Amino acid sequence: GENVEQHPSTLSVQEGDSAVIKCTYSDSASNYFPWYKQELGKGPQLIIDIRSNVGEKKDQRIAVTLNKTAKHFSLHITETQPEDSAVYFCAASLGGSQGNLIFGKGTKLSVKP
Amino acid sequence: DTAVSQTPKYLVTQMGNDKSIKCEQNLGHDTMYWYKQDSKKFLKIMFSYNNKELIINETVPNRFSPKSPDKAHLNLHINSLELGDSAVYFCASSQGPVQTQYFGPGTRLLVL
Repeated sequence: GENVEQHPSTLSVQEGDSAVIKCTYSDSASNYFPWYKQELGKGPQLIIDIRSNVGEKKDQRIAVTLNKTAKHFSLHITETQPEDSAVYFCAASLGGSQGNLIFGKGTKLSVKP
Repeated sequence: DTAVSQTPKYLVTQMGNDKSIKCEQNLGHDTMYWYKQDSKKFLKIMFSYNNKELIINETVPNRFSPKSPDKAHLNLHINSLELGDSAVYFCASSQGPVQTQYFGPGTRLLVL
């Protein structure tokens, strides 16, 4: 079946450094790629998303890049802060109109003060 | 203002029991979902309803039955609970398919 690979599974950075999380997807018909942040004991919260007609999108310290040819997309967080510590999930929509999202297995980001 | 709410937040029960989890969204969305997150944090879709009609039904045991009384509610009923059903169940909603999904706070189910 279709899947989404996410790396790394854990990431530890110093406060102020940048963090990069990478995902690859298998369904060439995927056209929607959201990123979610999940804090302990809470539900996933959308932080940024990108559609297949755009190569890059930025929102303050967060940016996402998409390479449709290579079928991979990445999350970039600059000037990391301790409150960025959480589990981050990438996802890709399955082809078709049903809106089914396939999630990566998550990256646990730790930002050390 | 809670956009997507779930009840209960915690659910501890014995094997073999039947339980329900309720979900409500006040965003005016047409599409609602149920996800299961296992102990390894893996998120997997279970069901999706659009305008009260089932549109996604992943391979889950038929002990799980979703019910959508109206567009703002999607409940999950689980019969004959098993140990392997222990997980966090998340409800989500979106304006439509392939639109931004907003998640609820989760229901932590523990089957003893």
